[in-house]
Amino acid sequence: DAKTTQPPSMDCAEGRAANLPCNHSTISGNEYVYWYRQIHSQGPQYIIHGLKNNETNEMASLIITEDRKSSTLILPHATLRDTAVYYCIVRAGGTSYGKLTFGQGTILTVHP
Amino acid sequence: EAQVTQNPRYLITVTGKKLTVTCSQNMNHEYMSWYRQDPGLGLRQIYYSMNVEVTDKGDVPEGYKVSRKEKRNFPLILESPSPNQTSLYFCASLRSRATSTDTQYFGPGTRLTVL
Repeated sequence: DAKTTQPPSMDCAEGRAANLPCNHSTISGNEYVYWYRQIHSQGPQYIIHGLKNNETNEMASLIITEDRKSSTLILPHATLRDTAVYYCIVRAGGTSYGKLTFGQGTILTVHP
Repeated sequence: EAQVTQNPRYLITVTGKKLTVTCSQNMNHEYMSWYRQDPGLGLRQIYYSMNVEVTDKGDVPEGYKVSRKEKRNFPLILESPSPNQTSLYFCASLRSRATSTDTQYFGPGTRLTVL
């Protein structure tokens, strides 16, 4: 599985955009980038995913570089409830398609 | 509402006393799996099942058993729990490999303490 590298922690002011970076330099051509978050000790929650193009949904935007070696998750207007651990994951293929390999993630703290 | 449920949510038990953590999903998903989460180690896959009667080991299967007799349920069985199985456990499901973009749904977690 391609490994991902994320900063251990980040801060963001409430109402501002939170930009969370992720490096995945060994990603394969058919592997997707997924973002999940975990609030406190709840079950991980899906946020967004992408292959090559930038993606946007009601929660966030995902910007993937042209060489696909890195990506950025953008929470456009962070709220206190967005404080969580954010995981960038490269989705494996083959018989391991269902396995998500979680790293340490980035602890995002949104402050007033 | 699409969801994955787990029971119990919290459990304190003693070494050697067999226990089962249930997992159920209402989305007719084929793939289900169990993860455990420990400080500093992230989430690690214990077992997974690609369909009814099809199960396989994940990264940390020792000390655990699973069964998949019906599509919606995927119980995790600890025949003889030990203190090193004290952890936070998550069940997850997704539809199938028919599309590589399916997302996984996670249950709320079961916090297990083995004394």
